[in-house]
Amino acid sequence: GENVEQHPSTLSVQEGDSAVIKCTYSDSASNYFPWYKQELGKRPQLIIDIRSNVGEKKDQRIAVTLNKTAKHFSLHITETQPEDSAVYFCAAGDNNAGNMLTFGGGTRLMVKP
Amino acid sequence: NAGVTQTPKFQVLKTGQSMTLQCAQDMNHNSMYWYRQDPGMGLRLIYYSASEGTTDKGEVPNGYNVSRLNKREFSLRLESAAPSQTSVYFCASGPRVYEQYFGPGTRLTVT
Repeated sequence: GENVEQHPSTLSVQEGDSAVIKCTYSDSASNYFPWYKQELGKRPQLIIDIRSNVGEKKDQRIAVTLNKTAKHFSLHITETQPEDSAVYFCAAGDNNAGNMLTFGGGTRLMVKP
Repeated sequence: NAGVTQTPKFQVLKTGQSMTLQCAQDMNHNSMYWYRQDPGMGLRLIYYSASEGTTDKGEVPNGYNVSRLNKREFSLRLESAAPSQTSVYFCASGPRVYEQYFGPGTRLTVT
């Protein structure tokens, strides 16, 4: 089955700096890569996703890049703000194979004011 | 439109007790999922239902059973709770593997 690894497990940045979180996956059939944000005590919420026919996607201060050859994808947050502090999860799935997502272990991002 | 709802929000069980966690969605989604999240850990899939009438095991199914009662409802049952099942349980739904929407979670403690 799919295996998703996520790094780093914790990340501390100063407000205004950029943050980058990286994930690798094992199953070359995976074609959908979402990112979720989970604030303390809350449910995970989808913030951005990318599909395998696209190399990069941007939404305001967040962007995701995908390298299918190397089987890795990354989340980039620019101009970080204290409200970006949360745990971020990457995931990988193959919409042709049973509707499952496999999640990475999460990255705790702390943005210091 | 309530999205995905879960009951109860909190539960404390003694070892060996049984209980059912309820999940319902009002978004007409085909697929529903049950995950567990242990402290400081990621999400692990317990069971999922790709469509009404079907259920399949995920990564960590042992000790659990599920029922897809209808398109809206997907329940998770612990037949004989163990301390290792102490966790936060999230239900999710989605039109397919894309765009999974999570419920608020059930915090379960087994003593």
